[in-house]
Amino acid sequence: DAGVIQSPRHEVTEMGQEVTLRCKPISGHDYLFWYRQTMMRGLELLIYFNNNVPIDDSGMPEDRFSAKMPNASFSTLKIQPSEPRDSAVYFCASSLDSEKLFFGSGTQLSVL
Amino acid sequence: GQQLNQSPQSMFIQEGEDVSMNCTSSSIFNTWLWYKQDPGEGPVLLIALYKAGELTSNGRLTAQFGITRKDSFLNISASIPSDVGIYFCARTSGTYKYIFGTGTRLKVLA
Repeated sequence: DAGVIQSPRHEVTEMGQEVTLRCKPISGHDYLFWYRQTMMRGLELLIYFNNNVPIDDSGMPEDRFSAKMPNASFSTLKIQPSEPRDSAVYFCASSLDSEKLFFGSGTQLSVL
Repeated sequence: GQQLNQSPQSMFIQEGEDVSMNCTSSSIFNTWLWYKQDPGEGPVLLIALYKAGELTSNGRLTAQFGITRKDSFLNISASIPSDVGIYFCARTSGTYKYIFGTGTRLKVLA
């Protein structure tokens, strides 16, 4: 079985540009999570979905961040406009219906 | 907000040595999970614990759910170079909010 698939693996952009990160969860998983990882703050939960519906977005830093899940097999995290402090590794994870998360390999984002 | 504090933050050990790390919380909760993150990858679940006092093994790894329900311990026996990485504890709340600890970085010297 394919695991959680994220794209791109690496993204380098300039401040002010729009960035879109993509995630394909494991088929059949009802929950999808977006995390951000930095040295200073560790793994932070940004938002999670259940059955394509956003349940808790309290971790989204500000209005520049938005996430969508138009169907069960696809989610996006968008940053517009991007800023240097957004540089981090962004992970997507999915879960069947338990405490066990399956993570993608992450997107390394660098905003110059 | 609630935090999970892990110690030590990092450790260097010799190959073959046993490793111990722990995770503490200011709150009581019902599930502890331990993940490992290899360099350049996402975390992978190692062990899940569901009740106080529970002791669970996965190969050379053993984890325990503390009696107070505010802590958990992870032990690695006879470490090998591929054990290098970051070990995270995690928990879920009733609202399915998933929180990770601060992490313990392990480096194994061959």
